[in-house]
Amino acid sequence: KAGVTQTPRYLIKTRGQQVTLSCSPISGHRSVSWYQQTPGQGLQFLFEYFSETQRNKGNFPGRFSGRQFSNSRSEMNVSTLELGDSALYLCASSPTSDPSYEQYFGPGTRLTVT
Amino acid sequence: DAKTTQPPSMDCAEGRAANLPCNHSTISGNEYVYWYRQIHSQGPQYIIHGLKNNETNEMASLIITEDRKSSTLILPHATLRDTAVYYCIVRPRGNYGQNFVFGPGTRLSVLP
Repeated sequence: KAGVTQTPRYLIKTRGQQVTLSCSPISGHRSVSWYQQTPGQGLQFLFEYFSETQRNKGNFPGRFSGRQFSNSRSEMNVSTLELGDSALYLCASSPTSDPSYEQYFGPGTRLTVT
Repeated sequence: DAKTTQPPSMDCAEGRAANLPCNHSTISGNEYVYWYRQIHSQGPQYIIHGLKNNETNEMASLIITEDRKSSTLILPHATLRDTAVYYCIVRPRGNYGQNFVFGPGTRLSVLP
């Protein structure tokens, strides 16, 4: 099976712009989670989607949003970019939201905001 | 959620077993213990998880103490490619949508 894929892998944006990141889960997986990783804060949970519904959300401002499509692919959007949004954005997929199942992570999208 | 405590760093000689400890003294009976690792700038890689019993797979073994207050991840024959940050995480059972809370982890250096 192909793993989790994320596009693009690298992105450079300017403050104030918006950005959309894409994630394709492992075939058959219906749960997609997003995480942000920065040197200062480490890995932090953004949100989780299952069957096109947001099931859980981390402590991030409303500028961070996401959605999931009927084929389980997911996108996350960050509006009005700030320098502090520079980070590695990771997507993870799982068959369900059941915590007895492990999540499989993609390679991430490295976003640089200048 | 139960918190975990891990040593910030460890060294291991190539070819020897790497034993990574994790303390989760406040764990409840319905929380899983998960282990992930992250090689520099890559996405975290799932290693193993368990609830009460010891577990083994092709990558590693997970030993959970009887009182479940601590666990040890064992990489039986460490190689240079095992150099990574290892995360021990507890995750509530039955809490759907509850995601992983990553701590700082243990930076394992496998030395030639």
